[in-house]
Amino acid sequence: SQQGEEDPQALSIQEGENATMNCSYKTSINNLQWYRQNSGRGLVHLILIRSNEREKHSGRLRVTLDTSKKSSSLLITASRAADTASYFCATEGSARQLTFGSGTQLTVLP
Amino acid sequence: DAGVTQSPTHLIKTRGQQVTLRCSPKSGHDTVSWYQQALGQGPQFIFQYYEEEERQRGNFPDRFSGHQFPNYSSELNVNALLLGDSALYLCASSLIAGELFFGEGSRLTVL
Repeated sequence: SQQGEEDPQALSIQEGENATMNCSYKTSINNLQWYRQNSGRGLVHLILIRSNEREKHSGRLRVTLDTSKKSSSLLITASRAADTASYFCATEGSARQLTFGSGTQLTVLP
Repeated sequence: DAGVTQSPTHLIKTRGQQVTLRCSPKSGHDTVSWYQQALGQGPQFIFQYYEEEERQRGNFPDRFSGHQFPNYSSELNVNALLLGDSALYLCASSLIAGELFFGEGSRLTVL
């Protein structure tokens, strides 16, 4: 079963716009991670935010975490066509395994 | 430095058959985890191997088994294949407490 749910399931924007994806989860976590996947290929780790952190930046990525609401958001600024992919949030609890959400399919139109 | 490599990349089996998928971890990594990703879904954790032992297991039946070798490479075996086993099988390697690095996956189709 999936731990988290991403919202929206699909998002289509123009190049240069910002893209925001949300993730909700159900149980307590040690950290939350975001991954990117191009068309059925392997997953690429984007960013990790620990449960005691509220916001983290990496390049054009900004992640927030609200443990009281059990939710996170991923913001991609100044999007590019190459950002087109599926984005997944994954939570890591006390056990060293990741529980993934169902993903957001982002399409960036040139 | 090679990353995580998986083989085969694609394979087709029929119901009832058995399949073995292989994974070579990233150099220096000692832990291998396997995930199943059905079409349109997020990956689901199958199990994790460390020091040649299964350390954790997700909610998968005993038809799914694995092995880790002394060189840290790993195999995933699935017996008595069902149509629902059709998926992308992803291997991820790490140090026991480190970031996961994923391979490109093995696409299994069960007819």
